Formats: sequence, C-alpha cells, structure tokens
Amino acid sequence: GENVEQHPSTLSVQEGDSAVIKCTYSDSASNYFPWYKQELGKRPQLIIDIRSNVGEKKDQRIAVTLNKTAKHFSLHITETQPEDSAVYFCAASSGGSSNTGKLIFGQGTTLQVKP
Amino acid sequence: DGGITQSPKYLFRKEGQNVTLSCEQNLNHDAMYWYRQDPGQGLRLIYYSQIVNDFQKGDIAEGYSVSREKKESFPLTVTSAQKNPTAFYLCASSYATGDTPLHFGNGTRLTVT
Repeated sequence: GENVEQHPSTLSVQEGDSAVIKCTYSDSASNYFPWYKQELGKRPQLIIDIRSNVGEKKDQRIAVTLNKTAKHFSLHITETQPEDSAVYFCAASSGGSSNTGKLIFGQGTTLQVKP
Repeated sequence: DGGITQSPKYLFRKEGQNVTLSCEQNLNHDAMYWYRQDPGQGLRLIYYSQIVNDFQKGDIAEGYSVSREKKESFPLTVTSAQKNPTAFYLCASSYATGDTPLHFGNGTRLTVT
C-alpha cells in the first residue's frame, strides 16, 4: 500500500548548522508534499509544501527539494536556531485511480538544536 | 484558535466506556479528518470526510466511529472495541482533500484506564 518513510528519526545539530530530513514515498501518483512542524504539546503546523510540477521551493531558512524520478523529497533548514527544535513530519498525497484524497505521513523526525 | 476547536484537551475514561471527542471548524472547509498520534508512529488516519453526510475509513478505523451531520462538526467516538485507545487525537480540516494544506486542532489527549 501507500507508504512514506522518513529519516532520520532523531537529529541533533549545533546552532547555526544545517539540518536535512529525507522522505521517500511509494505512490507514483502523489503530487503534493507538505512538511509540518510540531512543537512539544502543540498541534502540527504547515511550514512549507511543494507540488510535483516544481523541483525546489524556498522560504527564508527553509527549503524543500523533490525528486519525482527517485520518489524522494527533503527538508533543508539552514542556520538552525534553538526555536527550530521540534518534531518534523513529511507527508505525501495519495493518488491513483481512486484519488482517495488522503495525506500519508512519515514517522516524524525529532530535531534538537543545541545552543 | 486557528479555526479548529477540539474539546476537551484532556479526557479520562474507564475501560469499556465509549467516549466522544469533539471537533468544530469555522474555516468553511469541506474536508475533515481524524488522526491518532502515538510516539514514534507519526500521524495515522482514522476517518475522513470529504463532504457533509459522507465519510470514509482511514488506515486504523477499527474501534472508532464518526458522523458528519454538519459541515462544521466531525465528532469521533472511541468505542469499547478499540483495543488500545490511550493516545493523542488530532482533528484537521482542509479546503479540499488530497492536495491542500491541513489545518490542525490542538488535540485531545485521551487516557483510558
């Protein structure tokens, strides 16, 4: 069935360094790939998303890249700050002939930025 | 805040009791969703609804039931048939299903003893 794999499960970086989180998806019909940030005890919030007709998208210190051929996409955070510490989730839309309209989430990455 | 209200924030129930979690949105979104969050397992879809009076099972629907009588409301009932109900439950909505952003509520933490 449809699946999204996310790596690593935990990531620790020094403040100012870059962080990269990678996801692979199985459904070749997926066309929408959002990333969510969830701070401890709070709801997930959308931080950036990309559609299948675009290879890269940037928003200040955050960027997402998409490789449709390899079916993987990545989140890049530059100049990390302590407030970037959170759990990050990737997701991919389910497509196919049924167009079920679901988002399939990865397992999450806990990012810790050390001051 | 954020247009989606989940209540209560914390809920405690005895084993064998059904419990209903509330979710209301004022974003005029057609689609609504229920996710379950357990440590290390990401967000798993329980049920979703693309339109009023219609809903579909997600990946882990067993032991749960929903209704969608109004566009604004999508309550989730955790029944006694759910083997491991203790979890953090998140409700979400979106303008349309599949390729539009989800807006999440603040969640309900359910503890069943």
